[in-house]
Amino acid sequence: KNQVEQSPQSLIILEGKNCTLQCNYTVSPFSNLRWYKQDTGRGPVSLTIMTFSENTKSNGRYTATLDADTKQSSLHITASQLSDSASYICVVSGRGSTLGRLYFGRGTQLTVWP
Amino acid sequence: DGGITQSPKYLFRKEGQNVTLSCEQNLNHDAMYWYRQDPGQGLRLIYYSQIVNDFQKGDIAEGYSVSREKKESFPLTVTSAQKNPTAFYLCASSNRVGGGTGSNEQFFGPGTRLTVL
Repeated sequence: KNQVEQSPQSLIILEGKNCTLQCNYTVSPFSNLRWYKQDTGRGPVSLTIMTFSENTKSNGRYTATLDADTKQSSLHITASQLSDSASYICVVSGRGSTLGRLYFGRGTQLTVWP
Repeated sequence: DGGITQSPKYLFRKEGQNVTLSCEQNLNHDAMYWYRQDPGQGLRLIYYSQIVNDFQKGDIAEGYSVSREKKESFPLTVTSAQKNPTAFYLCASSNRVGGGTGSNEQFFGPGTRLTVL
C-alpha cells in the first residue's frame, strides 16, 4: 500500500533554533517528492521538489534531503523564525499512472516560540 | 496576478442543503483537482479533471459533484448526501496530469472552510 508517514506529528522550538522533520514513504514506483508549507487556513505552498537522482535541495533556510534507497526524506529548517510556524506536508508522486497520483502525509505542525 | 482563487473563504450550510464551492484559475492549466482536508489527516482527493468536459472520481467522491465547462473553472457541489461535509476544501491545478519531474506540480488555492450547522 502506498503511504507517506511523517514525524513528529507536532514540534515546538524556540526562535533561532534549527529543526528537522522526517518523511518515510512506501510509494512505488517513485517519481518525485515535494515538501509543502501550509499556513493555518491557507493552501499549501511548495518549498522543494526532488527526483530519484537528487539527494539534497535547498530553498533559503529550508534544506530537503532524499534517500531513495531507504525511502526517507527530511526537511531541515535553519535559524527558525516566527513565520516558520505552519504545517509541513510531505507529498510523494507516483509514476506510471495517468493520474500522476500524489500521496500526502498528514503533516508536521511546527510552532516557533519567541 | 496569476493564480488560483476560491470563494467564499468561509461557508455555512444547514443540514440537507446543497452548496457550491467556486474554484477559478488563470494559469492556463489543463488539470484541476478538489481535495478535502480534515484535522490531523492528509489531503484526500475528491474529484479531478484532466480536460474540459471531463472529470474523474477520486478517493472520496460520494456526496460530491463537479463540472468542468470551462478550462479555468472547476466548481464543487457538496450535496446533502455527504454525511460529514464540515471540512477545509482545497482546489488545485497543474499543467498536466501525469508523472514527471515537475510537470505535475500542483498549485493550491487558499481554501474554503465549510461548516454545516
